Amino acid sequence: AQSVAQPEDQVNVAEGNPLTVKCTYSVSGNPYLFWYVQYPNRGLQFLLKYITGDNLVKGSYGFEAEFNKSQTSFHLKKPSALVSDSALYFCAVRDIAYGNQLVFGAGTILRAKS
Amino acid sequence: GAGVSQSPRYKVAKRGQDVALRCDPISGHVSLFWYQQALGQGPEFLTYFQNEAQLDKSGLPSDRFFAERPEGSVSTLKIQRTQQEDSAVYLCASSPPQGPTDTQYFGPGTRLTVL
Repeated sequence: AQSVAQPEDQVNVAEGNPLTVKCTYSVSGNPYLFWYVQYPNRGLQFLLKYITGDNLVKGSYGFEAEFNKSQTSFHLKKPSALVSDSALYFCAVRDIAYGNQLVFGAGTILRAKS
Repeated sequence: GAGVSQSPRYKVAKRGQDVALRCDPISGHVSLFWYQQALGQGPEFLTYFQNEAQLDKSGLPSDRFFAERPEGSVSTLKIQRTQQEDSAVYLCASSPPQGPTDTQYFGPGTRLTVL
């Protein structure tokens, strides 16, 4: 079965410092991986996805993620955090052997402080 | 263009009442998904439509949950005889007809509170 783990409930970072939000996954076939961000009382907003090709994926708002097949990881990164990046981040995987739905991690709260 | 919209944004129901939650997907999007997000957790899949056909309902937690998309656009998620454990945010997502690499675009959700 497919699954996603986000090992950190919360990540704290100072504004201007690089940030990393960790994600590992488990699928039986080729993974399609996604990152979403959720602001309070709002739906999930798409950031980026990995389908195939270059292991470094660039997305919205300066975020990027690195796909590592050997470590089954897809960590979200940003070179310089902003206070406005503070939100709840979800990693998700789709394994087409199990259908078209996304399977989400539990989420990681990012707190960026000035 | 307009994104996915959902209504109502908030719904309070007494235990035992029936509720209906509406989703308007992005125009032209063939696929539509419903997810349930309990407090402090990630969204969990409920059901999936391709046009008007419900292709997967494996995530519906009980037969009290029913979803439809009769004309292949607007979808309604209905919960009969609501229970307190049904309290959650219900998210709708739609995606264009490109296959499993599609991005799902989410609406703002309906927060259901069952008293």
